[in-house]
Order: sequence, then structure tokens, then C-alpha cells
Amino acid sequence: EIVLTQSPGTLSLSPGEGATLSCRASQSVTSYNLAWYQQKPGQAPRLLIYDASTRVTGVPDRFSGSGFGTDFSLTISRLEPEDFAVYYCQQYGSSPQTFGQGTKVEVK
Amino acid sequence: QVQLVESGGGVVQPGRSLRLSCEASGFTFSSYGMHWVRQAPGKGLEWVAVIWHDGSDKDYGESVKGRFTISRDNSKNTLFLQMNSLGADDTAVYYCGRGDGCRGGSCYLDSWGQGTLVTVAS
Repeated sequence: EIVLTQSPGTLSLSPGEGATLSCRASQSVTSYNLAWYQQKPGQAPRLLIYDASTRVTGVPDRFSGSGFGTDFSLTISRLEPEDFAVYYCQQYGSSPQTFGQGTKVEVK
Repeated sequence: QVQLVESGGGVVQPGRSLRLSCEASGFTFSSYGMHWVRQAPGKGLEWVAVIWHDGSDKDYGESVKGRFTISRDNSKNTLFLQMNSLGADDTAVYYCGRGDGCRGGSCYLDSWGQGTLVTVAS
């Protein structure tokens, strides 16, 4: 199974700052099959990005995804108050699909 | 709009069984593979199971294989998860999710329910 390692574990930033979250795979992810989710306390995860860089309709363009192979990233260009949450990457290119352990973006 | 509503969670003793349901609306249920994903308290997401759109195939995570069974009733737009031989490690919020962009049974989940909490304790 492909293990996804997210870094850092926690990112402490102020509103207006930019954030870059990393997701590294133990093996190459097939065909850019990587997604990013946002989860706020007490809520279900919300899909933000799929196919490594395709934004879901309605997701602000300050969110962008990039990468291929084993190295992927999610960039938030300018943090808004509602962006402070936990972010998970997921690969769905091979079975079983797997999730990273999450990166928490918290207010500094 | 797409809506997924889980039910059936609760407190159950170790070794016992529980059946979760997920009622879907707002889309053609029979056209989508459906998944269960769980999240232990304070922990990350763990994929549990998938069922193909027509129920023709299923797959499970290693930690639940042989104990959990996923099924669906397309006539009632409902997904199920039968959980047997429950242990403390199965304590989690269980989410159902709609799969898309699938490669076999592996998909991204574009819609999620609100989750139902299963607590395994004596």
C-alpha cells in the first residue's frame, strides 16, 4: 500500500500569510490521482482538489494543488480566517486508497 | 443537491455487531460507487470499504476485512455497513462518501455525510 506522509504536522500562520502543505508518497502515485480535503472541527471532510491540481467548483482560487510522482503540495496563497483547519491528502491511483495523516493549519 | 445521511451508530460492547446505514438523495445513487471512511477520535481518516455502483464488486481495508460487509439497496438509495466482532479499535466516526474519478475501486470522495459515531466499550 502507498503510504502518504504529510508535512509539517502543524503550520502556525497569521491570516493573510501564504501556506504550503506537502504530501510525499512512498511510491509513485498513478496518473496524478491525488486529492486534498479540508476538515474543520466537528465537520466532515470537504473535497478541495482532485487529480493533483483540479479545483472543485466553488473552491476559492487561493487554493492550488501541484506535483506528480511522489511529491505533491497544496498552496493557500493568502489565508482567510475560514481556512484554518486540518488538510488531508489522499491517493486513489492504486488499491487500497490511502490518506495522509493530516496537516493542521492553526492561527499563530 | 447531494445529501448523504448516516445512521445506526451508538455504543456497543466488544465482540458484538452493528449495522450502519447511509441514505442518499439528490443524485442517481445507482450510478456511483460508494465508500465508508472512518476517523477515530482525534485521529486521521482511514478508508474502510467500497462497493461498485451496481454492487458487483466490493473491497475492504485490511483492518476490517473478514469482519465488515458493505452492501447497498439501489431501489432504496441506501448504503449499509455490517460490522461484526467489534473491538475498541473500531471506535470512530463513520462517514459514507460518494466516489468519483475512480481507478478500480479507488476514488476521490466528492460528497460526504455528516458521520455517525460508533463507540465500542463494555
